[in-house]
Amino acid sequence: DVKVTQSSRYLVKRTGEKVFLECVQDMDHENMFWYRQDPGLGLRLIYFSYDVKMKEKGDIPEGYSVSREKKERFSLILESASTNQTSMYLCASRTGSTEAFFGQGTRLTVV
Amino acid sequence: DQQVKQNSPSLSVQEGRISILNCDYTNSMFDYFLWYKKYPAEGPTFLISISSIKDKNEDGRFTVFLNKSAKHLSLHIVPSQPGDSAVYFCAASQQTGANNLFFGTGTRLTVIP
Repeated sequence: DVKVTQSSRYLVKRTGEKVFLECVQDMDHENMFWYRQDPGLGLRLIYFSYDVKMKEKGDIPEGYSVSREKKERFSLILESASTNQTSMYLCASRTGSTEAFFGQGTRLTVV
Repeated sequence: DQQVKQNSPSLSVQEGRISILNCDYTNSMFDYFLWYKKYPAEGPTFLISISSIKDKNEDGRFTVFLNKSAKHLSLHIVPSQPGDSAVYFCAASQQTGANNLFFGTGTRLTVIP
């Protein structure tokens, strides 16, 4: 059974903290994605990676960075968390033009 | 600019009736379309997809229709069940080149028992 696992379901962080969100997939997919979901805005792409050490900006990369040192792991980094980054964060992986598989999501609250 | 649009934020349907969720897209390069279902506090799960070489794809109670000339697709759920109550996202991508999935803003479906 395919699996995308996000390291935390719920996180509470303080403004200005550096935050790491981890995502691991076990399907050997080359493409991995980070989205955030906000009410009325749907899923917005933050960053994606199509190979190890490769990354591309999505629609809303400001305030975020990513790291992909191994094929199975894609990390999202909030350099200095702000309250407007309170959101549901979703990691996904995909091979070619098939469907993407999502993790269970991380609900991040920045206080 | 939103390339995939779901203009109805919510939809309520009686159990047993048909649910029709709509989606429009603007990029004519999109040739692969997907529907996802999302429950609160969970990740989206894949429902059904369609390639642009088809105009219809069916899987059990779920059917997706694609109208390329209108850049419109719809998801039909027949018969609707209370467990179908969730947020439904439409997504689009190109089968060659970039592998991004572009999502709509979602439609919250409520099936009333």
